[in-house]
Amino acid sequence: GAVVSQHPSRVICKSGTSVKIECRSLDFQATTMFWYRQFPKQSLMLMATSNEGSKATYEQGVEKDKFLINHASLTLSTLTVTSAHPEDSSFYICSVNGQGRTEAFFGQGTRLTVV
Amino acid sequence: QKEVEQDPGPLSVPEGAIVSLNCTYSNSAFQYFMWYRQYSRKGPELLMYTYSSGNKEDGRFTAQVDKSSKYISLFIRDSQPSDSATYLCAMKGNQGGKLIFGQGTELSVKP
Repeated sequence: GAVVSQHPSRVICKSGTSVKIECRSLDFQATTMFWYRQFPKQSLMLMATSNEGSKATYEQGVEKDKFLINHASLTLSTLTVTSAHPEDSSFYICSVNGQGRTEAFFGQGTRLTVV
Repeated sequence: QKEVEQDPGPLSVPEGAIVSLNCTYSNSAFQYFMWYRQYSRKGPELLMYTYSSGNKEDGRFTAQVDKSSKYISLFIRDSQPSDSATYLCAMKGNQGGKLIFGQGTELSVKP
């Protein structure tokens, strides 16, 4: 099956700093990747769709200037949480649709803690 | 009303039991249905994928889709403690579309 690698798995940062999370599609090229956020005991909330070579599409209520997404290649998308605040602490997960397939495959997730 | 409804549980069963997990949905355009298993602090892992109505079996897991009732199920036979996790249903209307998730059901299988 497809393999999606997400790094780091865990990060602690100070308020006001920025954090970058990487999502790599290891088995195939991905023109589209998705970024989700998940709070404890809640489902995944789609934040944005990352499109290779163009601007990301953000869901309603998600601040595009705070959550910067860059999809510079067919195998890598990055999410940067800028000027992080404690309320940004959450579990961030990326996903990739299998090439020519419908199923989505997820990264291991990144647990962000802002102190 | 949410597009996808899923009982969050928690659901606790003894080892060896048959587990039934369910989701209902309201959007008749959904055609692609998936079940994911998520262990604590990990990303979701794809368990089953079904297109349109019907049944699909993979080992101890069986997925059922009834589009006429807008109802999908995941059955786990001979449940094991290692099956203890949160199970998320997810669905979408077209191949490139957004996945819509249920809330997830927390399952605990007791030895």
